[in-house]
Amino acid sequence: DSGVTQTPKHLITATGQRVTLRCSPRSGDLSVYWYQQSLDQGLQFLIQYYNGEERAKGNILERFSAQQFPDLHSELNLSSLELGDSALYFCASSADGDYEQYFGPGTRLTVT
Amino acid sequence: GQQLNQSPQSMFIQEGEDVSMNCTSSSIFNTWLWYKQDPGEGPVLLIALYKAGELTSNGRLTAQFGITRKDSFLNISASIPSDVGIYFCAGAGGTSYGKLTFGQGTILTVHP
Repeated sequence: DSGVTQTPKHLITATGQRVTLRCSPRSGDLSVYWYQQSLDQGLQFLIQYYNGEERAKGNILERFSAQQFPDLHSELNLSSLELGDSALYFCASSADGDYEQYFGPGTRLTVT
Repeated sequence: GQQLNQSPQSMFIQEGEDVSMNCTSSSIFNTWLWYKQDPGEGPVLLIALYKAGELTSNGRLTAQFGITRKDSFLNISASIPSDVGIYFCAGAGGTSYGKLTFGQGTILTVHP
């Protein structure tokens, strides 16, 4: 158990819909990262937050957004969903933005 | 952008054998990490390397940070059935603060 929690574990929704994925980092970690894992693209970095502020951005679509709240939990919002958004979404956390990132169990999103 | 080439893509070995896998990059990284992912779970951090030439062990696992800073190697000695899974290398550093770039993964199968 990494100490990172993610909810929900599974999510099935229809195209065009909007969903919110939630992540709670390890106790004491200030940085939260979001990654997408798909069969064709592998593990891809989406975005990083550090203590409530956006720190780095990857190839995150404009339809996707994230935020980190004062209690340090984070949410990833995915809107206008397309079939191609079906993937595993992982949250990871680290102590102060260093590279040793600890991953949660992931949310499996299926868009039908 | 930065790309990591991980090889081999898959390995089928007998229990007790040693395993080697590697990762090469088109550009320099300041940090190399190795993760293992079991089906339906998030990646688990195995080893982190911070200095060129560094050799680090974690039980039966040994990893090295290449001298050129463009490659890394992971060795598993005396493999056991629970070593089965997907092993990922990840690189970080430079302008990609906090962001991990992952290899495509090596699928390891261990026959008892």
